[in-house]
Amino acid sequence: QVQLVESGGGLVKPGGSLRLSCAASGFTFSDYSMTWIRQAPGKGLEWISYINEKGDFSKYSDSVKGRVTVSRDNAHDSMFLQMRSLRAEDTAVYYCARDQGVEVVPTADSWGQGTLVTVSS
Amino acid sequence: DIQMTQSPSTLSAAVGDRVSITCRSSQRVTDWLAWYQQKPGKAPKLLIFKASTLESGVPSRFGGSGFGTEFTLTITSLQPDDFATYYCQLYDPLFPRTFGPGTKVEI
Repeated sequence: QVQLVESGGGLVKPGGSLRLSCAASGFTFSDYSMTWIRQAPGKGLEWISYINEKGDFSKYSDSVKGRVTVSRDNAHDSMFLQMRSLRAEDTAVYYCARDQGVEVVPTADSWGQGTLVTVSS
Repeated sequence: DIQMTQSPSTLSAAVGDRVSITCRSSQRVTDWLAWYQQKPGKAPKLLIFKASTLESGVPSRFGGSGFGTEFTLTITSLQPDDFATYYCQLYDPLFPRTFGPGTKVEI
């Protein structure tokens, strides 16, 4: 059974940094690309980052580009999101998600339960 | 940037109703369009991908259609478990993955 568990969220001051983790189990992690998606309180979904299976290619939304770095450790079935220069508008639940494995162009088919990041002084 | 819109933003319906949600893109895209269902406090669930392909385990009352700039999610007979918010998402490799603003289906 696919399981994704996010951690690392919490309260951080504006301008601060935070590192989110996503622990994967129930599938061969290194066979799948992964994404991060966030949802501000009471708002819709926003895709923010993608990383390929090997971890040598990544993409970011314009809203986080330059402030966020995605990485993965296939040996430990984990993905990370390093966030810097955090702003109030980064306050959201952050979800990690697994992309479909068999599709040529995949979308996210399994999601974690999310971790809440609150940026406030 | 490509923009995704959904209509309506809120849909009031009853159990047994046939409902449709429309998703439009600001540019012509291929069929790399997905639909997700989200219930309060829960992670989204993939329903439909590639515009019309039903994800494994999703009831057949859900259906997707469309191509180009307009896509539709249809629920043929609304069930109590279907009251939720629905999002479309473009995942065309030519564009950033972009979600629509969501449609809340309520009683």
